[in-house]
Amino acid sequence: DQQVKQNSPSLSVQEGRISILNCDYTNSMFDYFLWYKKYPAEGPTFLISISSIKDKNEDGRFTVFLNKSAKHLSLHIVPSQPGDSAVYFCAATSGSARQLTFGSGTQLTVLP
Amino acid sequence: ETGVTQTPRHLVMGMTNKKSLKCEQHLGHNAMYWYKQSAKKPLELMFVYNFKEQTENNSVPSRFSPECPNSSHLFLHLHTLQPEDSALYLCASSPNSGGAGETQYFGPGTRLLVL
Repeated sequence: DQQVKQNSPSLSVQEGRISILNCDYTNSMFDYFLWYKKYPAEGPTFLISISSIKDKNEDGRFTVFLNKSAKHLSLHIVPSQPGDSAVYFCAATSGSARQLTFGSGTQLTVLP
Repeated sequence: ETGVTQTPRHLVMGMTNKKSLKCEQHLGHNAMYWYKQSAKKPLELMFVYNFKEQTENNSVPSRFSPECPNSSHLFLHLHTLQPEDSALYLCASSPNSGGAGETQYFGPGTRLLVL
C-alpha cells in the first residue's frame, strides 16, 4: 500500500497561470516532505522541501503548502513556464527513517 | 565532473549475463543509495550505504549485489536478472543518511533492459 500518493498522473496548464500539484500521505510519522522535478533522461532534482513544523515554504515561483491534519501537501508554481514541464515527485521521510518514500509522480505540461 | 554520475546510461543484458552499474558522487557526501524506478511506479529504495557500511536492504533479491568501496563510489552488480527487473536504476547521495531535512541528490540513472 502506497504511503505517498499523487493521484493525478498528469496536469496541463497554460503558460503564466498557476500550477497546483497535489500529494497525500498516510504515515503520520512523516515529518519532512520534499518535491523533486525530473526531466526525461535525467535523474530527479531537488526542488523545495518543508518541515512538519511549518505549513508553508516559499522559494521564488515555487511554494509548498502542508496541511498536517489532512495529511496533504501541494506544490504551487506561479507563474508557470514551459520549462517547468517535467514529472514532479513528492517524497516524505521521518526522523526515525533513513529513506525517502516517493509518490508515483505527476507529469506537468505547461502550454505556451 | 560535479554532482552524481552513473555509467552506463543504457544497458541491455540477457538473463544469464553478469553486469555492473557504477555510481560516483563528487559532493563529499557520506551516504549513497540505489533506487529502482519501474514504469508508472514510485521510486523504490533498494540499498543505503552510510560511511561505506550498508544500513538498509529493502528485501532486494540476491541477484542484485551492491558494493561500496568508499564513500564516493557505489556499484550494483547484476547476475541472472529477470525481464521484470527492466527499469531505471537511480543512484543518489546525501551528506549523511537518516535525520530529517536531508536532501538526496540523484544521478541521471541507468536504463536497464533485460531480455
